[in-house]
Amino acid sequence: NAGVTQTPKFQVLKTGQSMTLQCAQDMNHEYMSWYRQDPGMGLRLIHYSVGAGITDQGEVPNGYNVSRSTTEDFPLRLLSAAPSQTSVYFCASSYSRSSYNEQFFGPGTRLTVL
Amino acid sequence: QKEVEQDPGPLSVPEGAIVSLNCTYSNSAFQYFMWYRQYSRKGPELLMYTYSSGNKEDGRFTAQVDKSSKYISLFIRDSQPSDSATYLCAMTTYNNNDMRFGAGTRLTVKP
Repeated sequence: NAGVTQTPKFQVLKTGQSMTLQCAQDMNHEYMSWYRQDPGMGLRLIHYSVGAGITDQGEVPNGYNVSRSTTEDFPLRLLSAAPSQTSVYFCASSYSRSSYNEQFFGPGTRLTVL
Repeated sequence: QKEVEQDPGPLSVPEGAIVSLNCTYSNSAFQYFMWYRQYSRKGPELLMYTYSSGNKEDGRFTAQVDKSSKYISLFIRDSQPSDSATYLCAMTTYNNNDMRFGAGTRLTVKP
């Protein structure tokens, strides 16, 4: 099993550009989520999904869109990148929403918006 | 005021020392408490999790939760250089709608 994979590892965008961060898991997990990690702020939940076709907002959803067409994939879209979205983005998955003891994180995508 | 407060450190200890890492929180609805370890430029990995108050031990690691004081701790015994990492506390309510992370404490264990 590859676990949770994320691409790209690094990305530099200009203000106003759009892009999609990819996340995939091969563990047949129902619950997937996106976090951003900023210095001094910890991880903050952006969006999450409890299964294919079902998504919901987390703590900081503005400027991001998600969709979940398959169990395996959960892409995060930046619609119009802003410098405030410079961050490290982590995707995570678990068997279910309440599987606190088996949440797996991907290696992260480091995004810089100029 | 943040919902979860964690001293960012950095914390530097000699090999073999006992390390104490702590978080305080303000939301009394939190029931599940987790500790994650994050090595540099890697994703967090779950170290321990506890439900409600009490202690939980796993090898050299002990997690404590004091809900009356809204205070959680992670103790590392016989610390090793391989324990050098950032430790994140996290907590959530029963339905996992509100998982909140601390900012993380950076720990260095010197040989």
